[in-house]
Amino acid sequence: GENVEQHPSTLSVQEGDSAVIKCTYSDSASNYFPWYKQELGKRPQLIIDIRSNVGEKKDQRIAVTLNKTAKHFSLHITETQPEDSAVYFCAASRGRALTFGSGTRLQVQP
Amino acid sequence: EAGVAQSPRYKIIEKRQSVAFWCNPISGHATLYWYQQILGQGPKLLIQFQNNGVVDDSQLPKDRFSAERLKGVDSTLKIQPAKLEDSAVYLCASSLGQLSRRINTEAFFGQGTRLTVV
Repeated sequence: GENVEQHPSTLSVQEGDSAVIKCTYSDSASNYFPWYKQELGKRPQLIIDIRSNVGEKKDQRIAVTLNKTAKHFSLHITETQPEDSAVYFCAASRGRALTFGSGTRLQVQP
Repeated sequence: EAGVAQSPRYKIIEKRQSVAFWCNPISGHATLYWYQQILGQGPKLLIQFQNNGVVDDSQLPKDRFSAERLKGVDSTLKIQPAKLEDSAVYLCASSLGQLSRRINTEAFFGQGTRLTVV
């Protein structure tokens, strides 16, 4: 089955800096790669996703890049703000259920 | 639109007891998932339904866990008997259809049920 690895497990940045979280996946048939943000005690919420026919996608301060050959994808957050502090999960799917990474706890220091 | 509803929000039981969780997906969503999220880890799929049929239950511990989705709408997940290691948040999610490159769909999560087994 699919295996998704996520790094780093924790990330601390100063407000205004950029944050990058990286994931690798094992199943070359995976074609959908979402990123979820989970605040403490709350549900995971989709912040951005990318499908395998696209190499990069942006939404304001958030961008995701996908390298199908290397089987890795990354989340980029620019101009970080304290409200970006949360746990971020990457996931991969070949059309069925999502397989999640282990999560990255992002702390944005004001 | 209304989101994915789950109940109860919290449950504390003793080991070897039974427990059931309920999920009502977003109206019209054919696909329903149950995930287990242990503290500090990513969600792990337990079972996926497409309408009222099981698509994937390969990671469901069938000796103690069961799930059903009668009439293809809401679903229940049961644990009997519970073990200490079952302490986790049980998340229900739904999507319009199966996630694929041809369908612009995403998975929406409920608030989860936090289970503590003592």
